[in-house]
Amino acid sequence: ILNVEQSPQSLHVQEGDSTNFTCSFPSSNFYALHWYRWETAKSPEALFVMTLNGDEKKKGRISATLNTKEGYSYLYIKGSQPEDSATYLCAFMDVGNTPLVFGKGTRLSVIA
Amino acid sequence: DTAVSQTPKYLVTQMGNDKSIKCEQNLGHDTMYWYKQDSKKFLKIMFSYNNKELIINETVPNRFSPKSPDKAHLNLHINSLELGDSAVYFCASSFGQGDGYTFGSGTRLTVV
Repeated sequence: ILNVEQSPQSLHVQEGDSTNFTCSFPSSNFYALHWYRWETAKSPEALFVMTLNGDEKKKGRISATLNTKEGYSYLYIKGSQPEDSATYLCAFMDVGNTPLVFGKGTRLSVIA
Repeated sequence: DTAVSQTPKYLVTQMGNDKSIKCEQNLGHDTMYWYKQDSKKFLKIMFSYNNKELIINETVPNRFSPKSPDKAHLNLHINSLELGDSAVYFCASSFGQGDGYTFGSGTRLTVV
C-alpha cells in the first residue's frame, strides 16, 4: 500500500507571511508527484506535475521542489493572501501507471 | 463550458436502492477516474479506466461498478446502497500518466 504523508495537517498564518508544507512519498518506483489546490465547496485544481529529481516549479507566489531520491516535496507560498486559504494536496504516481494516491492534505488558513 | 461534469450534484436515497452517478468530460482525455472522499476528507481511488484497461481498487465492494459507454463517459453504478456509502464522489480525467487530473465538482450521496 502506497503511503503519502503531508505535514502539517493544518496551518494558520497571517497575511503577508511566507509558508511551506511537506509531502513525503515512496522513493522507489517513482514516476510523478502532483500538487493540487482544493478550495472549500470546489473541486481540486492541479497546481504542479513534477517528474524529475531536483525539479522546481513556480506559479505566481507558489512554488514547489522535488527530491525523488529521499522521497519528499515542498510547496512554498510567498506573501500569503486570504485567497490562498485552501487545502493543498500532494499525490504520488508510480511507474506502474496506477492512479494517483493522494495525501490527506494540508489545510491553510490565511488571516487578514 | 464545464470540462468534467457530474450529475447529480446531490443524491439522497434509501438503503437498498440502486443508483447511478454520471460523469462526462469534454477534454478529449484518455483516462477517467472515480474517487471517494471519506469522512476524514481523504480522497481514495475507486476505479480508473481507459479504452484498454480497468483498474479496480480491490478494497471497493463489488456493489460498485463503473460503466463506460465511450471515452468521454465513466458512470458509477451502486447496487444495494448502504449507510456507509454516504460520501462525496469525485470523477476526474487526464491524458494519462504524467498529466494533471481535472476533477468534476463532486456528487454528495446520502443514504438514509
